[in-house]
Amino acid sequence: QAGLTQPPSVSKGLRQTATLTCTGNNNNVGHQGAAWLQQHQGHPPKLLSDRNNNRPSGISERFSASRSGNTASLTITGLQPEDEADYYCSAWDTNLSAYVFGSGTKVTVL
Amino acid sequence: QVQLVESGGGVVQPGRSLRLSCVASGFIFSDYGMHWVRQAPGKGLEWVAIYTSGGNYKSYADSVKGRFTISRDNSKNTLYLEMNFLRTEDTAIYYCARGGSFDSWGQGTLVSVSS
Repeated sequence: QAGLTQPPSVSKGLRQTATLTCTGNNNNVGHQGAAWLQQHQGHPPKLLSDRNNNRPSGISERFSASRSGNTASLTITGLQPEDEADYYCSAWDTNLSAYVFGSGTKVTVL
Repeated sequence: QVQLVESGGGVVQPGRSLRLSCVASGFIFSDYGMHWVRQAPGKGLEWVAIYTSGGNYKSYADSVKGRFTISRDNSKNTLYLEMNFLRTEDTAIYYCARGGSFDSWGQGTLVSVSS
């Protein structure tokens, strides 16, 4: 099953802004949006933003999600050392009748 | 608070079977669709299967279709994954996760398929 396309890595300086992208098609991201997950090494993933771009309770306002057409974006403002992690997007694919994940983006805070 | 606890992982030979369980607490289990998601060592997340909350709808990734079966017992707040004809490429941490946006995750259980 084809997944969603994410850049493998993004590096930004402390307190800078990073924007991560997740590109799909009309059957997945373009149809119902994408959720964003954060995973620190050795830990399970954690939801940062649901497919309607809403942050769960307890998630910092520094994380904001949006969508334009078939591309979803996650913006992290004021980067902090604890933001170093892998970030995944996920969406339901109506053509495949399956969920698909992106390959993940590793964020490094310089 | 929401809690998901997986169990049942272990070391198994290729071609054998294993059943994973995920016990849920802190929410009305029957109200939520539930997933299995796996992560091979050093790799990204791979969606495995979903069992929706109503209508008994199930769906599987192509990589496990015909070999894995997802089920749930709402009276026991438990999600299951029956894995048959296991292959070395099924080696991974298996997580259960809640809902359409994967809003809660367990700690995972490790399945290692090796001869």
